[in-house]
Amino acid sequence: AQKITQTQPGMFVQEKEAVTLDCTYDTSDPSYGLFWYKQPSSGEMIFLIYQGSYDQQNATEGRYSLNFQKARKSANLVISASQLGDSAMYFCAMSFYNTDKLIFGTGTRLQVFP
Amino acid sequence: GAVVSQHPSWVICKSGTSVKIECRSLDFQATTMFWYRQFPKQSLMLMATSNEGSKATYEQGVEKDKFLINHASLTLSTLTVTSAHPEDSSFYICSASPIDSGANVLTFGAGSRLTVL
Repeated sequence: AQKITQTQPGMFVQEKEAVTLDCTYDTSDPSYGLFWYKQPSSGEMIFLIYQGSYDQQNATEGRYSLNFQKARKSANLVISASQLGDSAMYFCAMSFYNTDKLIFGTGTRLQVFP
Repeated sequence: GAVVSQHPSWVICKSGTSVKIECRSLDFQATTMFWYRQFPKQSLMLMATSNEGSKATYEQGVEKDKFLINHASLTLSTLTVTSAHPEDSSFYICSASPIDSGANVLTFGAGSRLTVL
């Protein structure tokens, strides 16, 4: 069965520092996608970054990069140069069976302090 | 970019009433939309897949007679919570992507917060 695991319920990071949010997954499907979303207190889900299972290179989007280690089934999110506005819940998610259906991890609450 | 609109953004209703939540793709067409539920401080759980022109596909444990889904057009899916009770109070959020696009353009609505008194 497909499963996403986020083991860090909360993380703290100082402004301008980098932080890594962990995500591991389990699936028997050879074709899948991995996503990271940010959810501020307003509730909207903001797409950050996507990695396809067949992508050879790690995805990057501005200050966000995804450390994709397929053999370890991990897809950690790295946020560089943290900003106060980065404080939010972060969810790792996976799509499978060539659909847009997502399963989500339990989330990590990131707090950026000055 | 693709925009998904949800309405209402929040609703309060009495126990026993029905509530309809709309999910619209504003600048694209979607044959499939997804409905999720999120309880406070918890993750998003997929409830059902809304299919344009056909019946929705519900996830295990989700009552289809309780959560009615209609996908009448390529830009609109509705979720009706029938005979709502306090335990149905939750944050409901939909997602969609343009026809024939990749999964990396999946867009979420801003969500609808339901409170049942």
